Amino acid sequence: KQEVTQIPAALSVPEGENLVLNCSFTDSAIYNLQWFRQDPGKGLTSLLLIQSSQREQTSGRLNASLDKSSGRSTLYIAASQPGDSATYLCAVEGGGADGLTFGKGTHLIIQP
Amino acid sequence: NAGVMQNPRHLVRRRGQEARLRCSPMKGHSHVYWYRQLPEEGLKFMVYLQKENIIDESGMPKERFSAEFPKEGPSILRIQQVVRGDSAAYFCASSPLGPGYRPHEAFFGQGTRLTVV
Repeated sequence: KQEVTQIPAALSVPEGENLVLNCSFTDSAIYNLQWFRQDPGKGLTSLLLIQSSQREQTSGRLNASLDKSSGRSTLYIAASQPGDSATYLCAVEGGGADGLTFGKGTHLIIQP
Repeated sequence: NAGVMQNPRHLVRRRGQEARLRCSPMKGHSHVYWYRQLPEEGLKFMVYLQKENIIDESGMPKERFSAEFPKEGPSILRIQQVVRGDSAAYFCASSPLGPGYRPHEAFFGQGTRLTVV
């Protein structure tokens, strides 16, 4: 059974810092990995999707990497801003029809 | 092209009542997934549906919960005789492709927050 772990569970940093969020998964037989952002009381916004054949994806100040063989992904946020404060979720899709397996998320606070 | 629409956004039910949660997928999407997010927990898969078919319901509790995605209209997640433990955020996601096709990106709705009192 796939398990996804995100470290750290919470992170608070001053504005302007670069930071890294970590995600690990136990079964490397995945088709893709997706990073989401969730704001309090809101839905999920997809940030980046990395297919299993890819090593990384970039969107603006965000860069996500994938090392499928070791079961790890990182989300790098450059020059953090207070508007980046949210919970960041990592999710993987396996070969079945049972949707995405999510981690519990990293709660990020960027201090102005 | 509107996103995935869920309603209501907030729903309060007394113990023993029924809860109906609706999800309209994005235009052109025929694959719908329901997830549940319990307090302090990650999102957990419940059920995957295509039009008029339940494909995988391995994450759905065996009793009181049911889901449908009719030919016309939204997908419905129905919870009968709700209990306090059903209080959670329920999210719907839609996709234009099934899990046999890659990439398979899921688009999520805003969720329905169910509170059982």
